[in-house]
Amino acid sequence: AQSVTQLGSHVSVSEGALVLLRCNYSSSVPPYLFWYVQYPNQGLQLLLKYTTGATLVKGINGFEAEFKKSETSFHLTKPSAHMSDAAEYFCAVNRFGNEKLTFGTGTRLTIIP
Amino acid sequence: DSGVTQTPKHLITATGQRVTLRCSPRSGDLSVYWYQQSLDQGLQFLIHYYNGEERAKGNILERFSAQQFPDLHSELNLSSLELGDSALYFCASSVLPGDTQYFGPGTRLTVL
Repeated sequence: AQSVTQLGSHVSVSEGALVLLRCNYSSSVPPYLFWYVQYPNQGLQLLLKYTTGATLVKGINGFEAEFKKSETSFHLTKPSAHMSDAAEYFCAVNRFGNEKLTFGTGTRLTIIP
Repeated sequence: DSGVTQTPKHLITATGQRVTLRCSPRSGDLSVYWYQQSLDQGLQFLIHYYNGEERAKGNILERFSAQQFPDLHSELNLSSLELGDSALYFCASSVLPGDTQYFGPGTRLTVL
């Protein structure tokens, strides 16, 4: 079985500050890990993914995430927050051969001007 | 724009009714997945079809059914609707099972 825990249902940061959204996973086999973003009244957009290889993954809009097996974490970061980053962010996990994505409960990111 | 289309965007109906949600996958994608997003349950996997065949079932109620047609579009049928079925229903597609999933804009279902 696999699961995802996102710490902090709401995160607020000032414009220009570091964004850090936390995700921890549990999986009995090597996981594939994803971050999706959902803007208000829109669908889910893929930000980045980790399958194999380099553990630091760069995504769109300046976001990146690092897979840390020893910590079972896949935290999402962005050096400098922009107003347009305000959205809900979902961490998700699956594994090779498993079709379904298991999502975390989401983190709503608010940017303070 | 992910290339996945869903219709309708909004649907308002009454309890006990039946509705059909439609999804067209990205060009070339053979797998279609359905997810439900609600305030109390979050994002939950419902069902997966690959090239017309059911591949996996998740937390899908017996009142719900789906199919994938020869042209690869998929429909999710929800019957005997209850207030608790009000949610956002997403379709996603991928080239093959287990590949990266790309999501459509969703259908917001409101059951009154």
